[in-house]
Amino acid sequence: GAVVSQHPSWVICKSGTSVKIECRSLDFQATTMFWYRQFPKQSLMLMATSNEGSKATYEQGVEKDKFLINHASLTLSTLTVTSAHPEDSSFYICSATPGRPYQETQYFGPGTRLLVL
Amino acid sequence: DAKTTQPNSMESNEEEPVHLPCNHSTISGTDYIHWYRQLPSQGPEYVIHGLTSNVNNRMASLAIAEDRKSSTLILHRATLRDAAVYYCILRQPMEYGNKLVFGAGTILRVKS
Repeated sequence: GAVVSQHPSWVICKSGTSVKIECRSLDFQATTMFWYRQFPKQSLMLMATSNEGSKATYEQGVEKDKFLINHASLTLSTLTVTSAHPEDSSFYICSATPGRPYQETQYFGPGTRLLVL
Repeated sequence: DAKTTQPNSMESNEEEPVHLPCNHSTISGTDYIHWYRQLPSQGPEYVIHGLTSNVNNRMASLAIAEDRKSSTLILHRATLRDAAVYYCILRQPMEYGNKLVFGAGTILRVKS
């Protein structure tokens, strides 16, 4: 149980285009989902916290107009990278947590590798 | 955010135990200690977590110091599949957004 999927697993796009990444909790309802970004040989950096039915909370320094997050249902959150540029190329990872106390675990997706040409 | 300090890298021989240390001297009374690991090109995977008492599960054991300022993740018999980056994280309480904040972690290399 507790599986999180991401789609697509990798994507190549041209500079200036928008890319949508989906994150789904397959066997549980996720009241909260998180989006991370990871550059090569670096740790994960939290971008935003997404709560079902409400606006996402972005970490300091993350442009909310560039990284649009929608959490329309208890099993799906989407991250749209708008007007992507080469510096947005990265490994994007989502995680989800069921509606439990904070001491419970987060379940991570397999990640989406984005390459912007 | 409460900080953790881990060695940059460690090396182990296959089939031998591995002790991965973590210092968290500024831990608060309500912080849980979580360990995750990340294999190459994959999302992180939950390993274990605890509050005050030592914890065991099928993957590992977690030994927590009495003053809670440090902890040790124990892999009882390392295999090649355990080669990964191991992250020690203090779990933020719900009122702070229920976040996991990742540090640099420890790169574990396992030799056959």
